[in-house]
Amino acid sequence: IQMTQSPSSLSAYVGDRVTITCRASQDISGYLNWYQQKPGKAPKLLIYAASSLQSGVPSRFSGSESGTDFTLTITSLQPEDFATYYCQQSYGMPGTFGQGTKVEIK
Amino acid sequence: EVQLVQSGAEVKMPGYSLKISCQGSGYSFSNSWIGWVRQMPGKGLEWMGIIYPGDSDTRYSPSFQGLVTISADKSINTAYLQLRASDTAIYYCARQRGQQHPFDYWGQGTLVTVSS
Repeated sequence: IQMTQSPSSLSAYVGDRVTITCRASQDISGYLNWYQQKPGKAPKLLIYAASSLQSGVPSRFSGSESGTDFTLTITSLQPEDFATYYCQQSYGMPGTFGQGTKVEIK
Repeated sequence: EVQLVQSGAEVKMPGYSLKISCQGSGYSFSNSWIGWVRQMPGKGLEWMGIIYPGDSDTRYSPSFQGLVTISADKSINTAYLQLRASDTAIYYCARQRGQQHPFDYWGQGTLVTVSS
């Protein structure tokens, strides 16, 4: 299963609404996860099963799905949100990741 | 508290074998999967393989099949990744509660530097 993530990078201001998309090459029945990775750190789970918020993750993060298209939305971007974001399908093995989206300060 | 603690950084010459460990605590180690993920410098995440320590059921990505060996010793709550040094990369272990679950807890990563 191939995961196509876009954009590869984006620049945004603090307070902006940011949207990242991920498209699966086949039906993955909503088994789509989103991770945040900061430089020098391990990835952190944000969203699982397309739209479920992991415990402790701020509510400004949300996920949605439409068929094989998935979206991560960050409402009101905060300084600590500047990082790289990855989608990952866990429907089948291998659990392929998207290429990543680097969110930078504008 | 769930924790995954990985072994320390390694420096290896190309072709040399190494074995990275990942010790879990704070949960039932035998009843969750442990996966391994590679990240080369400045690159994305690559799913390598996964093991269920309870019965050692192991699955590999075709990209890594034959290049790495994943194992586990449930008596000491530890999973292993064995590979031959070829590319500098960080290797992460991560817990997956079920086959279609996400990686919810991650180790701190092990940097393997390959240099001749």
